[in-house]
Amino acid sequence: GQNIDQPTEMTATEGAIVQINCTYQTSGFNGLFWYQQHAGEAPTFLSYNVLDGLEEKGRFSSFLSRSKGYSYLLLKELQMKDSASYLCVLGSGNTGKLIFGQGTTLQVKP
Amino acid sequence: EPEVTQTPSHQVTQMGQEVILRCVPISNHLYFYWYRQILGQKVEFLVSFYNNEISEKSEIFDDQFSVERPDGSNFTLKIRSTKLEDSAMYFCASSGSGSRGETQYFGPGTRLLVL
Repeated sequence: GQNIDQPTEMTATEGAIVQINCTYQTSGFNGLFWYQQHAGEAPTFLSYNVLDGLEEKGRFSSFLSRSKGYSYLLLKELQMKDSASYLCVLGSGNTGKLIFGQGTTLQVKP
Repeated sequence: EPEVTQTPSHQVTQMGQEVILRCVPISNHLYFYWYRQILGQKVEFLVSFYNNEISEKSEIFDDQFSVERPDGSNFTLKIRSTKLEDSAMYFCASSGSGSRGETQYFGPGTRLLVL
């Protein structure tokens, strides 16, 4: 089976940097995704890691360590619109299904 | 930019009634998915669909649920006899090939309320 752990809530200041951690256990690893979800809306894709290391995409970076079952999402130059839930998601199986974590609700304050 | 669309955006139904939720995936995508999210809970996988058949389903996807691709564009989720606990947001998603690392694009969701 799979298990995903991430903090429930985080608060950060506009313009700052925040790191959202995720640890996971899985029997079959098909990559780790980060999705963003604003309240009442659909998840939107942010990043994907399948190999160890850092993937950078603008203000967002994601890191993976497969041996430690650990990932983080780094958000730089925080903006008010970054207030959302950030979902750590495992790719699983041969059909591309996604296994979602509970999500970390990030509140960005002025 | 192509997007996944879903109708209706909201559906209210009585317990025991049948509902059909509709999705139009991105046109050149081959893999289709349904997920649900009960209010305040995590997104849960229901079913994946490829080549006109179910490729994988979760324990949630019991005999009350069915999926269909009735034509070249629509992808539907039917709940035969709704229960109170089926109240949730239902998301449709699609991807190009379903392969490892392929991004899934989610529709805006249908909020289902069962009374």
